Amino acid sequence: DAKTTQPTSMDCAEGRAANLPCNHSTISGNEYVYWYRQIHSQGPQYIIHGLKNNETNEMASLIITEDRKSSTLILPHATLRDTAVYYCIVTLPRGKLIFGQGTTLQVKP
Amino acid sequence: NAGVMQNPRHLVRRRGQEARLRCSPMKGHSHVYWYRQLPEEGLKFMVYLQKENIIDESGMPKERFSAEFPKEGPSILRIQQVVRGDSAAYFCASSPLTGTQPQHFGDGTRLSIL
Repeated sequence: DAKTTQPTSMDCAEGRAANLPCNHSTISGNEYVYWYRQIHSQGPQYIIHGLKNNETNEMASLIITEDRKSSTLILPHATLRDTAVYYCIVTLPRGKLIFGQGTTLQVKP
Repeated sequence: NAGVMQNPRHLVRRRGQEARLRCSPMKGHSHVYWYRQLPEEGLKFMVYLQKENIIDESGMPKERFSAEFPKEGPSILRIQQVVRGDSAAYFCASSPLTGTQPQHFGDGTRLSIL
């Protein structure tokens, strides 16, 4: 079973920030939070990962709470091409990925 | 800088035949993972390999499925005596030997069983 809980679906207006929450209350000290997305039935695309500090890259920002029990993925300016299923996964580095149901993000014009 | 390469992209087999799916990891990556996505379902981990070693095969069906990652060449996922229920998308991912870098996925092989 996945160790994370995510909302089933979310909508976001094009051009606005998309904030996707994830709960991982049972995360252990050396586990990382990884975010992936899957567009249609393509291969999952890596987005970002972090341990305890906030992270930012060209795709997104990851905000991890101080107690590490939850995190938020932020897509700063969502486009229609960001419509996808987003997965929050907690695992050790090089560990197997356990995919839950994810959040289906629908970006609307 | 090529990513994870999987071939074939689409594979059609008749019941009882063998299916061989190939995966070449990203350059510099020595870990390979296989995942399966059944129609309308989520991705499920199957097996984790390093060169010439199976590290974790907890997600592999007990029969008919095998995987290898030889010293030279791509990783191979083999399905013997395929059945209709094997129809799925099979994804391969790779990661480097050390560090916390993520797994990167290929585009998958869509296996259809007639």
